[in-house]
Amino acid sequence: QLHLVQSGAEEKRPGSSVRVSCQASGDTFRSYSFNWVRQAPGQGLEWMGRIIPIGGRGNYAQKFQGRATITADKSTDTIFLEVSNLTSDDTANYFCARGGALSGVALDVWGQGTTVIVSS
Amino acid sequence: QSVLTQPPSASGTPGQVVTLSCTGSDSNIRSNTVNWYQQLPGTAPRLLIYSDIRRPSGVPDRFSGSKSGTSASLAISGIQSEDEAEYYCAAWDDSVRGQVFGGGTRLTVL
Repeated sequence: QLHLVQSGAEEKRPGSSVRVSCQASGDTFRSYSFNWVRQAPGQGLEWMGRIIPIGGRGNYAQKFQGRATITADKSTDTIFLEVSNLTSDDTANYFCARGGALSGVALDVWGQGTTVIVSS
Repeated sequence: QSVLTQPPSASGTPGQVVTLSCTGSDSNIRSNTVNWYQQLPGTAPRLLIYSDIRRPSGVPDRFSGSKSGTSASLAISGIQSEDEAEYYCAAWDDSVRGQVFGGGTRLTVL
């Protein structure tokens, strides 16, 4: 059974970058996708993008293209999300989640979330 | 402004049937399957329904999904206090080539 554990909370200055990790255990990457979904305080869920580690390339929501990068380290079963040029609008809880185990985009296993606060 | 539209709130008394709606378009709900998530306060979302109507292992059969055209619904029969949560619908959107979520419906059990 897959388990996803994310890195700890981050506080960043506007204009900087943040890198959040998500380590998988209990199952292999196989051909699943690993997705990043964020949730601003008091707001709904927003899909940012995904990667299939075997394929190696991420695809992104249009809003995040060019500013977010999703990578995978197959040697450590870890997925990374890097977001650059942060603004206060990026303050949110960031979740990683697995897709493709049950159906194409259904996200059936979630990490615990990583809080990112962007403040001057 | 979410691509999928959900009413912001719903309520019911214990034991009632509550139906939550999700409205989209040809590029998402009509063309692709719908998934539903439950999010309890302070926790990660949990997959409740996938492929329009299927329940993952461990989800009670009180939860059921349906879809028609560009709309989908989540029905909760015999609601319980533990069902008080935020519910989100989601689907792949062919126009934006990404997954889109509804804005969420907060269910209150009176």
